[in-house]
Amino acid sequence: GESVGLHLPTLSVQEGDNSIINCAYSNSASDYFIWYKQESGKGPQFIIDIRSNMDKRQGQRVTVLLNKTVKHLSLQIAATQPGDSAVYFCAESISGNTGKLIFGQGTTLQVKP
Amino acid sequence: EAQVTQNPRYLITVTGKKLTVTCSQNMNHEYMSWYRQDPGLGLRQIYYSMNVEVTDKGDVPEGYKVSRKEKRNFPLILESPSPNQTSLYFCASRGRGRGETQYFGPGTRLLVL
Repeated sequence: GESVGLHLPTLSVQEGDNSIINCAYSNSASDYFIWYKQESGKGPQFIIDIRSNMDKRQGQRVTVLLNKTVKHLSLQIAATQPGDSAVYFCAESISGNTGKLIFGQGTTLQVKP
Repeated sequence: EAQVTQNPRYLITVTGKKLTVTCSQNMNHEYMSWYRQDPGLGLRQIYYSMNVEVTDKGDVPEGYKVSRKEKRNFPLILESPSPNQTSLYFCASRGRGRGETQYFGPGTRLLVL
């Protein structure tokens, strides 16, 4: 069945280093992918998205890479800061059904000072 | 300020006692969704709505009802709550386009005894 999963439940990085959070998806019909950040006690917050006709998209300090061949998505955070500590979720949208999102289980990013 | 509001934020109830969690957005968004978040399971979509009077089931709709009589409101109804519905619930909304950011509410923590 369709699923969106993350390879590692917790990622610990040193402040200033780059972080890479990975996500695997299994539904080849998915054509829109989103990364969310969730801080403790808050709702998920949009970070960046990418459509399936793109391989890479950059935002402010964040980059999302999409490899459709292996159904893999990654979020790269440059110069990780303590404020980046949170749970990160990837989500996929099924083509033709824009109301439905499937989320991965989440990766906790811990930034060490 | 653009926002999604949910009420109540915290609720303790007993099995079988009907309850409603309200959700309201002030961004004139067409799409609204309800999710539940459970440890180890991430965010799972309960129901979503693509416009007034248009709703559809997500991944875990059993035991829930929704209505969309007005564009801004999307209440979640638990007709007969059970302990397995103890969870953290999020409402979300976004505009019609695929690239529109999805905004999440602050969450409602529900405990069913």
